[in-house]
Amino acid sequence: DTGVSQDPRHKITKRGQNVTFRCDPISEHNRLYWYRQTLGQGPEFLTYFQNEAQLEKSRLLSDRFSAERPKGSFSTLEIQRTEQGDSAMYLCASSLVRDGEKLFFGSGTQLSVL
Amino acid sequence: RKEVEQDPGPFNVPEGATVAFNCTYSNSASQSFFWYRQDCRKEPKLLMSVYSSGNEDGRFTAQLNRASQYISLLIRDSKLSDSATYLCVVTTSGTYKYIFGTGTRLKVLA
Repeated sequence: DTGVSQDPRHKITKRGQNVTFRCDPISEHNRLYWYRQTLGQGPEFLTYFQNEAQLEKSRLLSDRFSAERPKGSFSTLEIQRTEQGDSAMYLCASSLVRDGEKLFFGSGTQLSVL
Repeated sequence: RKEVEQDPGPFNVPEGATVAFNCTYSNSASQSFFWYRQDCRKEPKLLMSVYSSGNEDGRFTAQLNRASQYISLLIRDSKLSDSATYLCVVTTSGTYKYIFGTGTRLKVLA
């Protein structure tokens, strides 16, 4: 399967714990995005990378959230000191600059904070 | 005011009906426009891009009205399989941040 891969699919954690999610984009894609989606809402932009550079980060993203894409390939999203309000589906997407700007999404990581 | 606004629906229509959704955007510098489809508990997938001249793909037609800052999606001869949430997506010149609307739920009834 050469699509966007996310791991884990589900994560249950207790409030106050740290969690880390991984995203492997389509191999030749140079842009990588993180979104968060809650029930009944559209995906909410968190951050995006072009290669290894983080170009934009949502103002809604608190200091507890950090994302990296160290070698311009896979990316990780870490949430520190999780809160119940962090419970959501975390979606990763990638795109190729020359491909009409189409976003390809992974299946997401469903986070539940108890 | 949200950057991208959609009527959340649901729109309940019988098979074979024609249904149209609108989406408004607030930033006049918006550059690229898309419709994505999201099935329940699945990831969004690109349905179609929206060009200034409008575009059609089978039963689906998308149009852009820059003066009024809205885009539309028309679905003709609705099928049961068209039941999904349709997400309006906008990007702004100078950034590649894709802004999603809340989505419009469509239910096609037998």
